Amino acid sequence: GAGVSQSPSNKVTEKGKDVELRCDPISGHTALYWYRQSLGQGLEFLIYFQGNSAPDKSGLPSDRFSAERTGGSVSTLTIQRTQQEDSAVYLCASSLERGAQETQYFGPGTRLLVL
Amino acid sequence: SQQGEEDPQALSIQEGENATMNCSYKTSINNLQWYRQNSGRGLVHLILIRSNEREKHSGRLRVTLDTSKKSSSLLITASRAADTASYFCASGQGGGNKLTFGTGTQLKVEL
Repeated sequence: GAGVSQSPSNKVTEKGKDVELRCDPISGHTALYWYRQSLGQGLEFLIYFQGNSAPDKSGLPSDRFSAERTGGSVSTLTIQRTQQEDSAVYLCASSLERGAQETQYFGPGTRLLVL
Repeated sequence: SQQGEEDPQALSIQEGENATMNCSYKTSINNLQWYRQNSGRGLVHLILIRSNEREKHSGRLRVTLDTSKKSSSLLITASRAADTASYFCASGQGGGNKLTFGTGTQLKVEL
């Protein structure tokens, strides 16, 4: 079956512009996660959605970052007023449900470059 | 963010040899997962070991978990050139099973 998909694959933007990154989880997966991978910080958790519950935003680095998940499926990560330090690969993952032993399946990522 | 540590950072071996990577983490966990990453893009899930398990096998992979030492190891037996990649451990924590990743090991398997 189809895996997690993300778009765009690559995004180049100018400092100060807003960007939106999209994630389509595996069909039927109720939990969705965003992570970021950068040279300086490695792989970091950003935000987590589970069903209709309030998202866990504890990993978002600043209030310029926000995410939403519409209809319990597709998610959009928005970065406002981008900075050069936002350059990274943004990875989305989904899992079947919230269970503590569920495997997370990752998408191919969006490589963001802020000039 | 608190990351786990992995060692070695880089490992170069000959095809057919075994590769062992180690991972340490800092807090109590639900499980420990290992992922492979090629070319800095998507992560491929390899194996998950639960906090109440000590050893798990999957094909040429063997994972151990020592919760008293907060450490895990991944053994790849009879390595192949196609195993060349970066390997990350990730500890699943909390009710949402958020993953905290290790720093990664770059494995190179030479012919």
